[in-house]
Amino acid sequence: SQTIHQWPATLVQPVGSPLSLECTVEGTSNPNLYWYRQAAGRGLQLLFYSVGIGQISSEVPQNLSASRPQDRQFILSSKKLLLSDSGFYLCAWSVGRSSYEQYFGPGTRLTVT
Amino acid sequence: AQKITQTQPGMFVQEKEAVTLDCTYDTSDQSYGLFWYKQPSSGEMIFLIYQGSYDEQNATEGRYSLNFQKARKSANLVISASQLGDSAMYFCAMREPYNAGNNRKLIWGLGTSLAVNP
Repeated sequence: SQTIHQWPATLVQPVGSPLSLECTVEGTSNPNLYWYRQAAGRGLQLLFYSVGIGQISSEVPQNLSASRPQDRQFILSSKKLLLSDSGFYLCAWSVGRSSYEQYFGPGTRLTVT
Repeated sequence: AQKITQTQPGMFVQEKEAVTLDCTYDTSDQSYGLFWYKQPSSGEMIFLIYQGSYDEQNATEGRYSLNFQKARKSANLVISASQLGDSAMYFCAMREPYNAGNNRKLIWGLGTSLAVNP
């Protein structure tokens, strides 16, 4: 069966520090991968998605970037965090079935101080 | 442009009763998909149920059913026999039409917070 991992689970970082969040998927090949951010009490904002290795699409201009160095690995990064980067970051995957439902990881709660 | 609207920011229901969470959508496409997800306080998003636009029957998954009214562009989630563990945020989402990128992005509503009272 498929599983998705995210780490770390929680993170507290000062403004201006770098960021690296990792997401890995097991049990499936060539998944679509997604990074979302959720502010407190709000809906999901799609940040990046990827249909294959090295293929990244950005949805929202910001100081974040994403990379997909391996088929089942998706990394969210920043060189310098802003206070507004605080939030709950969720990674998700989907595959080419008719419904394309997305399955989510446990999330990373990031607080920028 | 495609849009999902969830008009109920918060709902209450008594344990063992049924509850309906509203979702309306806007799209000009003929082929689309609708989803419901549950987000408990732990934060993880849990896929509940899917309805394709060409599906003639309403989708059901255990205690969850989707009341799909295509002409009204509504896709309400019905939870029967509510349990305390059903207390969570519930999000409605719609799949974007296929494009060359084959990415199948989802468009999300803002969610409804459901509280089940004992």
